Amino acid sequence: DTAVSQTPKYLVTQMGNDKSIKCEQNLGHDTMYWYKQDSKKFLKIMFSYNNKELIINETVPNRFSPKSPDKAHLNLHINSLELGDSAVYFCASSGAYQETQYFGPGTRLLVL
Amino acid sequence: GNSVTQMEGPVTLSEEAFLTINCTYTATGYPSLFWYVQYPGEGLQLLLKATKADDKGSNKGFEATYRKETTSFHLEKGSVQVSDSAVYFCALTPYGQNFVFGPGTRLSVLP
Repeated sequence: DTAVSQTPKYLVTQMGNDKSIKCEQNLGHDTMYWYKQDSKKFLKIMFSYNNKELIINETVPNRFSPKSPDKAHLNLHINSLELGDSAVYFCASSGAYQETQYFGPGTRLLVL
Repeated sequence: GNSVTQMEGPVTLSEEAFLTINCTYTATGYPSLFWYVQYPGEGLQLLLKATKADDKGSNKGFEATYRKETTSFHLEKGSVQVSDSAVYFCALTPYGQNFVFGPGTRLSVLP
């Protein structure tokens, strides 16, 4: 069974479009995260959710909005996509804040 | 602030060579320390961790010791394999704060 899953795996879209990435974890974890990884592999945290409550927003543009319908899901919606949004987006979860994080396989977003 | 510094890559080694990837950190309090590995096209996987000073984390032949006096958590492996080719991330969790990841070190192992 996949612990943390993301869909889609690849996403190619035009500038200005709106897109969503879905994430689900079956580990029973309380905390979920979204990270952005650039072409140089640098990893930057975007959001963290604990029991459906946002606890971190690391100066991410408000075009990005996380939505957590329940503890097992954390989706990422992106409005008005820009070229600079092209990256790999990773979802992760942990049993509690600061504990070991488990990552999904990533969503490779390319904005044309 | 809290930060993690790793040696710049890429690191290229021949199979069966000894590996060291340096990691030093700056943090308040006593953070937990981690090494994650990212294989091509995949997400990050926990490789090992240590939660207090002098603890040694180990997994799959990799080891790292939490050195508080030198604020370091260097990753070592005695004999690398081609299958170890990946990007390695050092990370820490300062008390009450989120994970801080290093910039990653790419390792290439040649047969």
